[in-house]
Amino acid sequence: GALVYQYPRRTICKSGTSMRMECQAVGFQATSVAWYRQSPQKTFELIALSTVNSAIKYEQNFTQEKFPISHPNLSFSSMTVLNAYLEDRGLYLCGARTVQDTQYFGPGTRLLVL
Amino acid sequence: QQQVRQSPQSLTVWEGETAILNCSYENSAFDYFPWYQQFPGEGPALLISILSVSDKKEDGRFTIFFNKREKKLSLHIADSQPGDSATYFCAASEGGGRALIFGTGTTVSVSP
Repeated sequence: GALVYQYPRRTICKSGTSMRMECQAVGFQATSVAWYRQSPQKTFELIALSTVNSAIKYEQNFTQEKFPISHPNLSFSSMTVLNAYLEDRGLYLCGARTVQDTQYFGPGTRLLVL
Repeated sequence: QQQVRQSPQSLTVWEGETAILNCSYENSAFDYFPWYQQFPGEGPALLISILSVSDKKEDGRFTIFFNKREKKLSLHIADSQPGDSATYFCAASEGGGRALIFGTGTTVSVSP
């Protein structure tokens, strides 16, 4: 079946340092990958969207300079949080979309910043 | 401006009752509406979805009712079970692989 893996599941970093998280779609061909951040209050914020034939599009309040994303293909994507501070904490979710337009999410990477 | 709204914020039902979760949206171009179930410490799991060309979608105990004219939809959880206790998110997107916009969620508690 269709699965999305994310790792690490949980990470702690010191304020001002950076951390990288990865996402892998297994069992299906992803047509797009979206990164979200879910706040402790459970609100979703879209960070960026990557589709098959277009460049990565970042949402307002999120920049490539702060959240660089790399994806050799849409089945694998990685995102780094550079210079993490307290406001960057949350659950980072990767959602991969199938050709049938169904979006599956991974379990998320929970980022804690000390 | 919140494009997708959900109500109530939280809901408690007795086991066996039907839980009704409401969702409304602003953008008339939205045509795909999935509902996700999320347990603490986990990512959201796709529960059921509907396209705007339909007014009802059923999958087991879960049913979506969709009203395009009023830009409203609802998720009905029939015969609620304690294992259904979770937070449910309504989401929406336009066609062509656009990103999902999420509502703020409804936390459901099912009492045995």
